[in-house]
Amino acid sequence: DAGVIQSPRHEVTEMGQEVTLRCKPISGHNSLFWYRQTMMRGLELLIYFNNNVPIDDSGMPEDRFSAKMPNASFSTLKIQPSEPRDSAVYFCASRSPGGGGTGELFFGEGSRLTVL
Amino acid sequence: AQKITQTQPGMFVQEKEAVTLDCTYDTSDPSYGLFWYKQPSSGEMIFLIYQGSYDQQNATEGRYSLNFQKARKSANLVISASQLGDSAMYFCAMREGVVIDKLIFGTGTRLQVFP
Repeated sequence: DAGVIQSPRHEVTEMGQEVTLRCKPISGHNSLFWYRQTMMRGLELLIYFNNNVPIDDSGMPEDRFSAKMPNASFSTLKIQPSEPRDSAVYFCASRSPGGGGTGELFFGEGSRLTVL
Repeated sequence: AQKITQTQPGMFVQEKEAVTLDCTYDTSDPSYGLFWYKQPSSGEMIFLIYQGSYDQQNATEGRYSLNFQKARKSANLVISASQLGDSAMYFCAMREGVVIDKLIFGTGTRLQVFP
């Protein structure tokens, strides 16, 4: 089975440019999470969706960040305009519906963003 | 306040020895789950082991076991018979309750296994 698929794996852009990160969760999973990882702040939860609906976006840094999940198989995280401090690895993760199991998250390989 | 605390930024262990990675947590919810993930240098996040707050026994998965001490709010990961391939960052994480559905991660511990 395919895991969580993220694209691009690496992105280098200049300050002020728009960045769009994409995620395809595991088929059948109904929860999707976006995390950001930096050396200084570790793994931070940005936003998560349940059944395509944003449940908690309290971790989104500011209005420059937005996330959408138009359907069960696709999500985007957009940064506009990007700034050097946005440089990080962005992970997408998904989880299967509740009612059994451990509820662990399955992570994608991450998108490494560098803003110059 | 920190929900998940990992006080060991780095740990060293010799191959074939056991090592314990510390994790303490803070919650007032009686229902919660505790997770450990491994992140090798390649960057992916690998799920290792899970402990539910109502589980009576400590979780085990192969060489990994979780030393769950509920009263002390600690969930330490024990790796037995360390291997060179165990060198990685290890993250402890918690999910609170049922309604709050998100996983909060600690800052991680970097484990180095030497021959």
